[in-house]
Amino acid sequence: DTAVSQTPKYLVTQMGNDKSIKCEQNLGHDTMYWYKQDSKKFLKIMFSYNNKELIINETVPNRFSPKSPDKAHLNLHINSLELGDSAVYFCASSQYPRPYEQYFGPGTRLTVT
Amino acid sequence: LAKTTQPISMDSYEGQEVNITCSHNNIATNDYITWYQQFPSQGPRFIIQGYKTKVTNEVASLFIPADRKSSTLSLPRVSLSDTAVYYCLVGDKLGGSQGNLIFGKGTKLSVKP
Repeated sequence: DTAVSQTPKYLVTQMGNDKSIKCEQNLGHDTMYWYKQDSKKFLKIMFSYNNKELIINETVPNRFSPKSPDKAHLNLHINSLELGDSAVYFCASSQYPRPYEQYFGPGTRLTVT
Repeated sequence: LAKTTQPISMDSYEGQEVNITCSHNNIATNDYITWYQQFPSQGPRFIIQGYKTKVTNEVASLFIPADRKSSTLSLPRVSLSDTAVYYCLVGDKLGGSQGNLIFGKGTKLSVKP
């Protein structure tokens, strides 16, 4: 059983388009996250949701909007895609009181042309 | 959150013990030390976490001196499959923290036959 899954695994799209990445976890965790890993391999947190409530919202363009329909899902919607959005996006989850023990998904490689 | 410093890369051979040291001079009283491993094209994987002295699990050991200004991740008898990037993170796991992980550049470990 896959603990944290993401779809799609690869996403190639043109500038200006709107796209979504889906994430699901079957671990029963109460917190989910989105990270971005750029071409230099720096991994940076974007958002965190705890029980469907936004907890962390780092400085990201408001073209990025997370949506959490329930505790097990955290989707990432990106409007008006730009070249600089090209990266690998990772979803992760954790369970209180161990927020530092996070389980990551396989990643979604987004390429904007 | 305390800043961490670790070597950019390390080389080793199969069967050797590998020690990766991380410096965190500004570590706070409530901070824990956490290590993650990331294989190419995969999300990071939690390895171990500790507060002081020594922690050991089935994967690695974590040594933390009394002043806690550094820590050493020890991988016993590495194999080719241990080739990965290893991240040292320091942060508060208590007090309502929702796991704002800050990943540095990590240490790229290359294990050779």
